[in-house]
Amino acid sequence: RKEVEQDPGPFNVPEGATVAFNCTYSNSASQSFFWYRQDCRKEPKLLMSVYSSGNEDGRFTAQLNRASQYISLLIRDSKLSDSATYLCVVTKARADSNYQLIWGAGTKLIIKP
Amino acid sequence: NAGVTQTPKFQVLKTGQSMTLQCAQDMNHEYMSWYRQDPGMGLRLIHYSVGAGITDQGEVPNGYNVSRSTTEDFPLRLLSAAPSQTSVYFCASSYSGRVPGSYNSPLHFGNGTRLTVT
Repeated sequence: RKEVEQDPGPFNVPEGATVAFNCTYSNSASQSFFWYRQDCRKEPKLLMSVYSSGNEDGRFTAQLNRASQYISLLIRDSKLSDSATYLCVVTKARADSNYQLIWGAGTKLIIKP
Repeated sequence: NAGVTQTPKFQVLKTGQSMTLQCAQDMNHEYMSWYRQDPGMGLRLIHYSVGAGITDQGEVPNGYNVSRSTTEDFPLRLLSAAPSQTSVYFCASSYSGRVPGSYNSPLHFGNGTRLTVT
């Protein structure tokens, strides 16, 4: 079983719609959670961190459910420019007491005009 | 402001050849790392470094070597290329090695290297 699992999609969504996708993780000791965005054939870029109480950044809302070990990303009023692959990332403790990132394979989102 | 510079962008190797992927950052970042990205899989950490002179293995280190002689540079060496090493490679750096990739220390990625081993 993968440590971080995501529905690969693609999610085909009309412009202006709301779309949500989840990510599940297996390590209950994970402390920090992030969503990264990756455009086609480009490098990943940090979209937002995910906090325990949930957080919002403009049209984007991230939620964390520790009991069920999943995080979610909600995009409202979707734009064509939101088309990308969204990568779920969780932290895992290293032997040196620091942390490394464990990446999901990503969910592909296509916004259609 | 160059950020993370990664070269080459594309490379084709024959099985058994060796090569070095270059990575340099000009942000005085403590943490540098190499990832590979394969279809249907998340980014997987190959090697990382939390400072000059310090390197450590990630999830998939076999077949790769690294060194960190300066803060700026973190080259990745493929010792004897194999078809299984066909992948997209990303170098990434962050300010702190404690929780690299966090909001306070986001990862800055290079543009990637598309490597094909035949």
